[in-house]
Amino acid sequence: GEDVEQSLFLSVREGDSSVINCTYTDSSSTYLYWYKQEPGAGLQLLTYIFSNMDMKQDQRLTVLLNKKDKHLSLRIADTQTGDSAIYFCAEEGRGGYQKVTFGTGTKLQVIP
Amino acid sequence: EPEVTQTPSHQVTQMGQEVILRCVPISNHLYFYWYRQILGQKVEFLVSFYNNEISEKSEIFDDQFSVERPDGSNFTLKIRSTKLEDSAMYFCASRGGTTDTQYFGPGTRLTVL
Repeated sequence: GEDVEQSLFLSVREGDSSVINCTYTDSSSTYLYWYKQEPGAGLQLLTYIFSNMDMKQDQRLTVLLNKKDKHLSLRIADTQTGDSAIYFCAEEGRGGYQKVTFGTGTKLQVIP
Repeated sequence: EPEVTQTPSHQVTQMGQEVILRCVPISNHLYFYWYRQILGQKVEFLVSFYNNEISEKSEIFDDQFSVERPDGSNFTLKIRSTKLEDSAMYFCASRGGTTDTQYFGPGTRLTVL
């Protein structure tokens, strides 16, 4: 079945760039997502990329997709303390009714 | 901007009781989903629903679970006899069409005592 893997933890200093990486197995993925979740809160859709794109930039966020290696990354420029949260990578398959498969989440800690 | 809404935001129930979690998807959407997230774990797919029937379900979605679209706006998840391990955040999602992205609701936190 589909699987999405992420590293569990990332620590960066305020003002630095953060790069969160993700690998997935479903080669038929259509959309790939990045969600942010703060403690006790719901899922905030940060950005998404369609599988025929290599890169998407949205203000401080840059998503890179390497479809050959099934690797997705999220770069946050000028990381702020308010960016501290868990970041979930997720992919949506082409088959069936397109459920979204989430990764385990990467906890980003921003050190002031 | 249209959004998916869920009620209640937090539900506390006793083990063995039935609960119904409610969702109002975005009005012209056709595909509906439930996911759950046990505390500290990843979000897991439960079920998808299209054309008034279940289109796919996971192993988690056993006979204790059911979904319904009782009218043109609500989409519900019923847990017949709750267990302690059903304690989780439950997210509803909807999409318009097969080329649309999924939109998630804010979640209902279910606590089973």
